Amino acid sequence: QSALTQPRSVSGSPGQSVTISCTGTSSDVGDYNFVSWYQQHPGRAPKLMIYDVSKRPSGVPDRFSGSKSGNTASLTISGLQAEDEADYYCCSYAGTYTLVFGGGTKLTVV
Amino acid sequence: EVQLVESGGGLVQPGRSLTLSCAASGFTFDEHAMHWVRQAPGKGLEWVSGISWNSGARDYADSVKGRFTISRDNAKNSLYLQMNNLRPEDTALYYCAKDIEGTVTPGGDSWGQGTQVTVSS
Repeated sequence: QSALTQPRSVSGSPGQSVTISCTGTSSDVGDYNFVSWYQQHPGRAPKLMIYDVSKRPSGVPDRFSGSKSGNTASLTISGLQAEDEADYYCCSYAGTYTLVFGGGTKLTVV
Repeated sequence: EVQLVESGGGLVQPGRSLTLSCAASGFTFDEHAMHWVRQAPGKGLEWVSGISWNSGARDYADSVKGRFTISRDNAKNSLYLQMNNLRPEDTALYYCAKDIEGTVTPGGDSWGQGTQVTVSS
C-alpha cells in the first residue's frame, strides 16, 4: 500500500487550465477504473470532485474533469477561479477492499 | 441532507484503546459502504479502513491492520472504529465518509467534520 505520487504543488492564473497527475502502479491505478479526486480547503473536510476516473458528482462544475492512461490518472481544472485554490488528493482502489491516497497537491491560483 | 457526526476522540496514552463512532443520517445507511480516513496535523489524507454495506467485506491499511477493527450497526445507522494498542503516529483527525456505492470504492461523497485523536504520554 504505497501512496500514489502527486506533484507537491502546481499553480495557474485565473482563466487558465492546470492538470494534476497521480501516478500509481499496475496494482491500483493501472488495474481499476476506480480513481477519485478530492478538494480540501484549509480546515475543511475533503469534497469529492471526480469518481470512477471521470464522473462528476452533482453540483461539481464541469470545469473539473478526470482521465486515466496506464498507471497515471489526471485531474484537469479549466477556467481557473480563485476559489479553486486548495489541496487536491487522488485516491484509487487497490484491490481486496483497500484504498490508497496520493500525497496531495497544493494548487495556487496566482 | 446527509449528516455524518463523529465522536469518541480524545487524548490517550500509547498502548491504550479508544473507540470512535459515526452517527449517520439523511440517507439509507444500509445501502452504502463506509470508511474511516485520517489526517495527521499538516499532512495528507490516509485511508484507514472501509466496510461494505452488509459488513461482508472490510479491510484495513497496513499501518493499522491487527490493531484497528471497523464495524457497523445498520439498525442504529452507526459506524465504529475500535482502536487498540494506539501509537503516537496514530495521532490525527479521523473522518467518517460515506461511499457512493454499497461496496468499497474510492468515492466518498459525504464526509463528517472529524474527531481528533491524540496519542501521547
